[in-house]
Amino acid sequence: DTEVTQTPKHLVMGMTNKKSLKCEQHMGHRAMYWYKQKAKKPPELMFVYSYEKLSINESVPSRFSPECPNSSLLNLHLHALQPEDSALYLCASSQVGTGTYEQFFGPGTRLTVL
Amino acid sequence: SQQGEEDPQALSIQEGENATMNCSYKTSINNLQWYRQNSGRGLVHLILIRSNEREKHSGRLRVTLDTSKKSSSLLITASRAADTASYFCATVSTSGTYKYIFGTGTRLKVLA
Repeated sequence: DTEVTQTPKHLVMGMTNKKSLKCEQHMGHRAMYWYKQKAKKPPELMFVYSYEKLSINESVPSRFSPECPNSSLLNLHLHALQPEDSALYLCASSQVGTGTYEQFFGPGTRLTVL
Repeated sequence: SQQGEEDPQALSIQEGENATMNCSYKTSINNLQWYRQNSGRGLVHLILIRSNEREKHSGRLRVTLDTSKKSSSLLITASRAADTASYFCATVSTSGTYKYIFGTGTRLKVLA
């Protein structure tokens, strides 16, 4: 199974809502990533987990809270978001090896903040 | 910004023609990877070239890497309408992190 799944596919939320994005992989990868992508722009790294521990936080605002409950799951908890946070949120996974390996991406969650 | 640059930003060709896109980056790297993204969807890995390699082939794809110029190119031969997508290069520096930095991307349109 070489698939990364993400739920939900689409999410619309108000600025006072709390919601979560979910990502799952069963490839045995121990590195998992969250990216944010605006239209016609490249993905921007937000967080990296390695062996279920947060190893990179790219100065992301605290209204985004990542969680890695086990080696297969990655969550992104959202609270008090702003309209400018509307974007495609991509999850990816890879083998551990500091950039040596390809990343496998999920299809993304299209987030709209009203 | 550490972001890599790609050119052209957009490319429109006829089916059967070759497409070439270029990537320039700023740091010393372990490897360089190319990804494809169909509209609004996740990225798909195409090919990885290591810093000690100069050229690599995979099917209709040919990638070159010039570490002295900090640049790479992706050639797609005999293009098909299904190749219509955005193409991104991605690098990880030799500083040993998981920080993948993506280039600005090339939007390729192949006309049938």
